[in-house]
Amino acid sequence: SSDLTQDPAVSVALGQTVTITCRGDSLRIFSASWYQQKPGQAPILVVYGENQRPSGVPDRFSGSRSRGTGSAALTITGAQAEDEADYYCNSRDITGNLVTFGGGTSVTVL
Amino acid sequence: EVQLVESGGTMVQPGGSLRLSCAASGFIFRTYSMHWVRQGPGKGLEWVSVIRGNGRGADYADSVRGRFTISRDNNRNSLFLQLTSLTTEDSGLYYCVKEHSTGWPNFAQWGQGTLVTVSS
Repeated sequence: SSDLTQDPAVSVALGQTVTITCRGDSLRIFSASWYQQKPGQAPILVVYGENQRPSGVPDRFSGSRSRGTGSAALTITGAQAEDEADYYCNSRDITGNLVTFGGGTSVTVL
Repeated sequence: EVQLVESGGTMVQPGGSLRLSCAASGFIFRTYSMHWVRQGPGKGLEWVSVIRGNGRGADYADSVRGRFTISRDNNRNSLFLQLTSLTTEDSGLYYCVKEHSTGWPNFAQWGQGTLVTVSS
């Protein structure tokens, strides 16, 4: 089982906004990163360090974190058909020495 | 351009051993911690292990500690993972991962993975 919890699946209408959440005690201390994975492909980093995007990632992807509640979120503003994928969060574990992933959220764009 | 190419995955019987390799190029290998992340069939991502750039420190997920050993050869820009006492739960695609310049666990580049199947 993961130390980070994600909802298994969400859906969003084309062009609308969807938020994926990630919860865990370690998020009170450490920031989360987010990855997009499409079938048969390796994951791609889309957000890191609270709300930084690697070059090439569209600005419709954004991140946030609430230290108080131990949660992080990935928001897709104006979802596109190509955003349909599995999304994973990760962070350091509560000790800070290891890494933990969330169970993943499957995003469907309707 | 960063490239990570894994190899060594195959089918092995329970209790068996295997050595995975990752050939890295396109960056100064010795300056980055490197990781292995695996994904079981139809399952999510699971972090496995990390090794520091100088090769002098490593950590493991509880599920593999004592059975897997990570190592690197900075002269050959290569990362390795020795797997022993394998069980069916170890089956999956094993990814070689490079951290982002801001550090881990921001995993910036991933290889395409090498498949390990543990079955009798």
